[in-house]
Amino acid sequence: GIQVEQSPPDLILQEGANSTLRCNFSDSVNNLQWFHQNPWGQLINLFYIPSGTKQNGRLSATTVATERYSLLYISSSQTTDSGVYFCAVGDRGSTLGRLYFGRGTQLTVWP
Amino acid sequence: DTGVSQNPRHKITKRGQNVTFRCDPISEHNRLYWYRQTLGQGPEFLTYFQNEAQLEKSRLLSDRFSAERPKGSFSTLEIQRTEQGDSAMYLCASSPPLGTGNPNEQFFGPGTRLTVL
Repeated sequence: GIQVEQSPPDLILQEGANSTLRCNFSDSVNNLQWFHQNPWGQLINLFYIPSGTKQNGRLSATTVATERYSLLYISSSQTTDSGVYFCAVGDRGSTLGRLYFGRGTQLTVWP
Repeated sequence: DTGVSQNPRHKITKRGQNVTFRCDPISEHNRLYWYRQTLGQGPEFLTYFQNEAQLEKSRLLSDRFSAERPKGSFSTLEIQRTEQGDSAMYLCASSPPLGTGNPNEQFFGPGTRLTVL
């Protein structure tokens, strides 16, 4: 299966700071999603972005599929941004759609 | 439009007991996935249904695990003779039919947290 590596594993910020989370993957993908997992375990969809750039408020994401990486940008971070951020990809060689997840980046934002 | 729902949200059981979890996907989503997440890890794929057909199973799905989706709507995941290593969060996700929405985009339920004593 596809290997997904996320960095950094942990990130501690003060409120108002900006951050960049990275996701590297080992093979061609037909799906790439960024999720935020809240303290209760729910995975919240942030972006569906197998290629290109998208923005949603303070969050934006870029995927460079040819170089097999994606970046999630968080600007002006807030305490409510705390939690684990996961990148997940789908294998381009498969039509079945299973996602391969990284181990996540644990973000802590202090007031 | 309601999201994916899962029941129960929490389950505590003794080793050796059987447990069953239910997942109701988003209406009109014909594709359904089960994942398992242990502490400090990302979710790992267990199995995939398209309508009522189970099209893919992970090697993680031992003989003690069985999943069904009898009418192509809700799905159940049963674990027989539970072991302490089965303690985890069990997540369900659904996707719309191919040709609608973003291809293969998955939407997750709140999960069922299983604790085996």
